[in-house]
Amino acid sequence: SYELTQPPSVSVSPGQTARITCSGDALPKQYAYWYQQKPGQAPVLVIYKDSERPSGIPERFSGSSSGTTVTLTISGVQAEDEADYYCQSADSSGTYKVFGGGTKLTVL
Amino acid sequence: EVQLVESGGGLVQPGGSLRLSCAASGFTFSSYWMSWVRQAPGKGLEWVANIKQDGSEKYYVDSVKGRFTISRDNAKNSLYLQMNSLRAEDTAVYYCARGLRYYDSSGYYYDLGAFDIWGQGTMVTVSS
Repeated sequence: SYELTQPPSVSVSPGQTARITCSGDALPKQYAYWYQQKPGQAPVLVIYKDSERPSGIPERFSGSSSGTTVTLTISGVQAEDEADYYCQSADSSGTYKVFGGGTKLTVL
Repeated sequence: EVQLVESGGGLVQPGGSLRLSCAASGFTFSSYWMSWVRQAPGKGLEWVANIKQDGSEKYYVDSVKGRFTISRDNAKNSLYLQMNSLRAEDTAVYYCARGLRYYDSSGYYYDLGAFDIWGQGTMVTVSS
């Protein structure tokens, strides 16, 4: 079955830039999406179509894509950004949705 | 306010059945793909199933095929997940999620394979 691979954890100091990667063979064909999930809460969509930001999401969140890897970048990280982040996409057919394993962002 | 509210979770024995419901409000339910996504305790997110606007297409993750059935009632603005032959590994919070609909500058829309609205989830525990 198709898999997306994320690093388990990323740590940054406040004000620095955090980058979270997600790799998958079908990413050149399928859009990637990113979700933020805080403890005890439902996920929130923060990036769609690789790099678009939904309304209400701060500008410090951005996304990019290069080949089989997509990247979520959080510029000027704030303490409130500490959360789990999941990438999501689909297999090459677009039919079956898949999530990455998640990355825990720690703000030091 | 756009909202999804799940119900129906609980404790069930292995091999048992449970039916989850998701009540939608604040948007035109019949216009959107809908999905179930689950999260085992301390684990990541897993897409479970989705259903097209008119119910004509349904897709499932391999691990639940033949055991779970997704359905919807557009007249009642409701989504369902019938879960049979439950296993310990089905223990999770189950989220109802709305499919993302994207409108371009010309006014055309595309149903993207993402989830823009989520419920708060309902816990399913499979244990003897």
